[in-house]
Amino acid sequence: EVHLVESGGGVVQPGGSLRLSCAASGFTFGVYAMHWVRQVPGRGLQWVALISGDGSTAFYADSVKGRFTISRDNSANSLYLQLNSLKREDSALYYCSATSATHPFEYWGQGTLIAVSS
Amino acid sequence: QSALTQPASVSGSPGQSITISCTGTSSDVGSYDLVSWYQQHPGKAPKLMIYDVTKRPSGVSSRFSGSKSGNTASLTISGLQAEDEADYFCCSYAGTPVRFGGGTKLTVL
Repeated sequence: EVHLVESGGGVVQPGGSLRLSCAASGFTFGVYAMHWVRQVPGRGLQWVALISGDGSTAFYADSVKGRFTISRDNSANSLYLQLNSLKREDSALYYCSATSATHPFEYWGQGTLIAVSS
Repeated sequence: QSALTQPASVSGSPGQSITISCTGTSSDVGSYDLVSWYQQHPGKAPKLMIYDVTKRPSGVSSRFSGSKSGNTASLTISGLQAEDEADYFCCSYAGTPVRFGGGTKLTVL
């Protein structure tokens, strides 16, 4: 059975940093591209970042470029998101999601919540 | 990076059919058959329902179907059931940035 489990969320002050983790199991992690997608509760989904299966290529939404860094450790079946210079508008539920060659955003975790507040 | 345009809400009675639209541009929805749809129940993660405009993943009911015309993709749910009540999001994954729709709340009357 596939599991994606996010962790690392919490309350942080504006300008602060957090590191999110996503532990994967039940599928061949290294052949899947991985995304972070965020959602303000009750609102729509917003794509944040993408990393290729081998970790060599990453892409970011303009709103987080230069502040967030996506990375992965295939030996540990884990995905990460380093969030720096956090803004109030970064407050959201952050999901990790796996994309195969054929199925976009096939697997999702349950999310980890970030609140940026002073 | 604006969102794809979806109606905020739709509703239907059990057994009826409903269609949710998703409007993009000629640079994304209109140019590539790379549109997917996700169902999200309250407090749950999204679930892939349709990909590549018309394809259903294994295990998804045949009551769910997708189509596209020009810059607008559509999700049709036939034979509405109570458990279909949820939020639905479209997505254009033709490169980056990936664009999601703002979401449509489906109410089964």
